[in-house]
Amino acid sequence: DQQVKQNSPSLSVQEGRISILNCDYTNSMFDYFLWYKKYPAEGPTFLISISSIKDKNEDGRFTVFLNKSAKHLSLHIVPSQPGDSAVYFCAAASGTYKYIFGTGTRLKVLA
Amino acid sequence: SAVISQKPSRDICQRGTSLTIQCQVDSQVTMMFWYRQQPGQSLTLIATANQGSEATYESGFVIDKFPISRPNLTFSTLTVSNMSPEDSSIYLCSVRDRGMNTEAFFGQGTRLTVV
Repeated sequence: DQQVKQNSPSLSVQEGRISILNCDYTNSMFDYFLWYKKYPAEGPTFLISISSIKDKNEDGRFTVFLNKSAKHLSLHIVPSQPGDSAVYFCAAASGTYKYIFGTGTRLKVLA
Repeated sequence: SAVISQKPSRDICQRGTSLTIQCQVDSQVTMMFWYRQQPGQSLTLIATANQGSEATYESGFVIDKFPISRPNLTFSTLTVSNMSPEDSSIYLCSVRDRGMNTEAFFGQGTRLTVV
């Protein structure tokens, strides 16, 4: 049972445009959500998080939106840069230390 | 943020053998975890490494197969025992502070190939 799903395995975007990565979850008890970026041969790097009491959190070029009724979150990257090319994982937690990760979306930003 | 060093970064091992992966953190952390990422899959939590006591394993993972040590607040090891090709994965050490809504930090991972 995949509680956190990233239905798009890959995404290509032109440099300077917006990248939108999506994540759906099934457990309504999840109350904390995170996005990680992973380059080849490196561990995941924390990008941005959001608590369930908010619907938006912004950090520079990265914004995460949370739609609790739809059990959906998205990561927006504006403007996209070639260095953003990586695999992006969303993760969710329900008041504990245990994070549930999605399968990842490979983003390619074309110069 | 914590700096996490994992060794080895990669290895190719014969089936039936065991490999011990080390995780060293540059500061004392309350919580340390071990994850596995199989090819094309998400990160799956293997266990929580508890200082001075037995690790807490997730469903589907057992101590005989994945013994874990954590002698202090900055170091842990994960052993993959009696390996088979199905154990070929990336193994990741992760740390975070205890408490709600704190992000986890990861080591660079160990890419294990079992032949």
